[in-house]
Amino acid sequence: GQQLNQSPQSMFIQEGEDVSMNCTSSSIFNTWLWYKQDPGEGPVLLIALYKAGELTSNGRLTAQFGITRKDSFLNISASIPSDVGIYFCAGTPYSGGGADGLTFGKGTHLIIQP
Amino acid sequence: KAGVTQTPRYLIKTRGQQVTLSCSPISGHRSVSWYQQTPGQGLQFLFEYFSETQRNKGNFPGRFSGRQFSNSRSEMNVSTLELGDSALYLCASSPPDSLFYNEQFFGPGTRLTVL
Repeated sequence: GQQLNQSPQSMFIQEGEDVSMNCTSSSIFNTWLWYKQDPGEGPVLLIALYKAGELTSNGRLTAQFGITRKDSFLNISASIPSDVGIYFCAGTPYSGGGADGLTFGKGTHLIIQP
Repeated sequence: KAGVTQTPRYLIKTRGQQVTLSCSPISGHRSVSWYQQTPGQGLQFLFEYFSETQRNKGNFPGRFSGRQFSNSRSEMNVSTLELGDSALYLCASSPPDSLFYNEQFFGPGTRLTVL
């Protein structure tokens, strides 16, 4: 099946730093989504992207749908302690069906050092 | 508007038993999807239901099944449990607007432990 390559696997940053993570696929995706998951909880949707080249912000978060439709990135500016968690990219492969499940990356574990 | 709810939150079973998990989607959402999350395999799609019909299925054995009721609530069943079925089972619902159909909203999950 489809696989998403998400990197980095983990990030150790200082509070206040900017964060960047990305996700790539070998095939075209028609939707890119970014989720955050805290321990013991389900993923929470942060940003959804539907058009190639689309750049969308949600507070300190900014995500882009790559122009090739095979990648996406998420930036977090001025990180704060509550940003700690696991960030997942997810998407729907271009199949035209609209009923396929989401394909997820393996996640980026964000750790903020005091 | 209340979020996706899942019951129970935690479950312990032994090998060979079967289990039923329940999910109530966000009000007005008619599509419900189920995912399995494990440390090794990550989040993997199990199946999706819409209007009481299974529309899509992931690559899981037939021991994993589900159904959806007329009020959009969904259940998934795992029969003949194996140790490898220990996982967090997540349910997600999607809004009816086709433009945002792929935006899936997750519940807190059911943590299943098979002993």
